Amino acid sequence: GENVEQHPSTLSVQEGDSAVIKCTYSDSASNYFPWYKQELGKGPQLIIDIRSNVGEKKDQRIAVTLNKTAKHFSLHITETQPEDSAVYFCAASPNQGGKLIFGQGTELSVKP
Amino acid sequence: DAGITQSPRHKVTETGTPVTLRCHQTENHRYMYWYRQDPGHGLRLIHYSYGVKDTDKGEVSDGYSVSRSKTEDFLLTLESATSSQTSVYFCAISQGADEKLFFGSGTQLSVL
Repeated sequence: GENVEQHPSTLSVQEGDSAVIKCTYSDSASNYFPWYKQELGKGPQLIIDIRSNVGEKKDQRIAVTLNKTAKHFSLHITETQPEDSAVYFCAASPNQGGKLIFGQGTELSVKP
Repeated sequence: DAGITQSPRHKVTETGTPVTLRCHQTENHRYMYWYRQDPGHGLRLIHYSYGVKDTDKGEVSDGYSVSRSKTEDFLLTLESATSSQTSVYFCAISQGADEKLFFGSGTQLSVL
């Protein structure tokens, strides 16, 4: 079945710097790749997603890139702010009834 | 959290006792999911439902059962709780396969 690896597990950046989180997946049939942000004590919230027919997608300071050949996708956050501090999860859908397989998570800390 | 209510929010129970967690949605979404979240493992799918009385197993279904008698309710039951089932449990909903997943606020379960 699908396996998703996420790196790094922790990331610390200065406010205003960029942050990059990377994920690899194993199942070439996966075609949907969302990213979730989880704040302390809350459920994960979808922040951006991309489908396999698109190579890049942007939403203000957040962007996601997908390389289907290499089977990896990345989250880019520019001009980071303290409120970006959270745990971020990538996921992949192997197109089997909508089941998402998640990466292990990245704890992002943005220092003022 | 996208019209999703999980109950209870916190529960402490003893090994060997049955436990039922409830997920209630007001969005009339077809798909409902139960995930567990553990450090170092991200979120792992336990069971999911693609309609009333239609359920299937996820990655980590052993020791868990589910029921969905109404569109809006999805129950997760631990027939005989074990300490390894101490975790945070999240319910999620989506309109269809490969569609955006929306999560509830979670249930913290401790099995002593």
